[in-house]
Formats: sequence, C-alpha cells, structure tokens
Amino acid sequence: DAGITQSPRYKITETGRQVTLMCHQTWSHSYMFWYRQDLGHGLRLIYYSAAADITDKGEVPDGYVVSRSKTENFPLTLESATRSQTSVYFCASSETGYGTEAFFGQGTRLTVV
Amino acid sequence: AQKVTQAQTEISVVEKEDVTLDCVYETRDTTYYLFWYKQPPSGELVFLIRRNSFDEQNEISGRYSWNFQKSTSSFNFTITASQVVDSAVYFCALEYSGGGADGLTFGKGTHLIIQP
Repeated sequence: DAGITQSPRYKITETGRQVTLMCHQTWSHSYMFWYRQDLGHGLRLIYYSAAADITDKGEVPDGYVVSRSKTENFPLTLESATRSQTSVYFCASSETGYGTEAFFGQGTRLTVV
Repeated sequence: AQKVTQAQTEISVVEKEDVTLDCVYETRDTTYYLFWYKQPPSGELVFLIRRNSFDEQNEISGRYSWNFQKSTSSFNFTITASQVVDSAVYFCALEYSGGGADGLTFGKGTHLIIQP
C-alpha cells in the first residue's frame, strides 16, 4: 500500500532497554522526520533526514539515534529508554523538505515503565 | 528562533456555531510557510492548508477559511457552521527556509469540541 507506515503502533518497554521504532514510506520522498507528541508541548522534532545517509538533529535529539541506509526507511532507536521518553512518536515524509506538505504516519505510542 | 503560539488550549461550542482558532507566530525569516493540521480522535495528522509568507490572500475551502496577516504575525482558522466531525486537535505550524529543511515548528494545539 502506498503511504507512510509506522511499526509497532503500540509498545511497552522497560527502562534501560533499547527499542527501535520503524518508519517506511513508499513515495520515495527525500525528506523524512521524527516528531514526538507530548501533552502540553505539541509536536517536537527529534531528527530529520534529507536523503539516504544524511541525518541531522532537531529540537529534542538527546537519547535517540537514527539511521537512513535506504530512502524509504527511517528507523528511530532509543538506546536506553527512560520514562521521559514515554510519548507518541510520529514519522513524516515530504518531497522537498521545505514548503511542501508533510505526510504523517499513524504514530507509535511508546510507554516506558 | 521560531515559535508558534496557540493560546486557546480548548474550545467548546455547540454545533452550527462559527469558531475561530488563533495562531500567532514568531520568526526572523522573511521567507517561511505556515500550515494547519488536524488531528482527529483517531490520532493521525491531516494536512489542511499551506500558505507561504508572500501570499497574504485569505483562503476559503467549504466551511473552512484562513486569515493570514503578516502585520500581526497571525494565521487564524475559522470553521463556519461547525459540525461534530470537526471535533479534533488543530495544530498550527511554521516552516522557515533557514538554509535547509528543519522541519515544522508546531504550536501546542487547540482542542476543539463540537457539542451536538
């Protein structure tokens, strides 16, 4: 199916564990983004990528790692999960990265216990 | 630095009323884009509109209209004759050129409740 998909949709993990959230898009968009959504904060940018093998930090990158070996995939890894990383994570993609609509995945609700 | 302020945390109106969601932004750039996204109870984010900083023309799309005023750094969103299906969280967002793609700066959102 065309679009942008995230997996898993829901995840519960323990403090200190590594967890990877997956994001896959079928449009071959150059730009991909990871946001987290927290009550009272709206959505905040974690990392973004302009192309395969090109990534950069956003507003709240600490504790997260990203990679982009293929244009269509942009996984987000929490190397050692903390309770403060409990959040809803959204992946997005856009064609040019500026001035074009960003398409969002369905979100992953992550709970760190 | 960029900032988007949605001062209305929650708005509750009765169906068929008109409602305006406020958005005020801050940026030093002269070139930027403004967006509105809708997040219904199902959780996904739905694009509603994009406006660039050089286009101050207001826009109407069915029951939705947007008023962009650079003089007051505002990009307000009005729903006319609201319906229960309009109930959602609405986000205003700013994207500036900044020499590269830096993603969207979102406001904290306005939770709109349309009561039947």
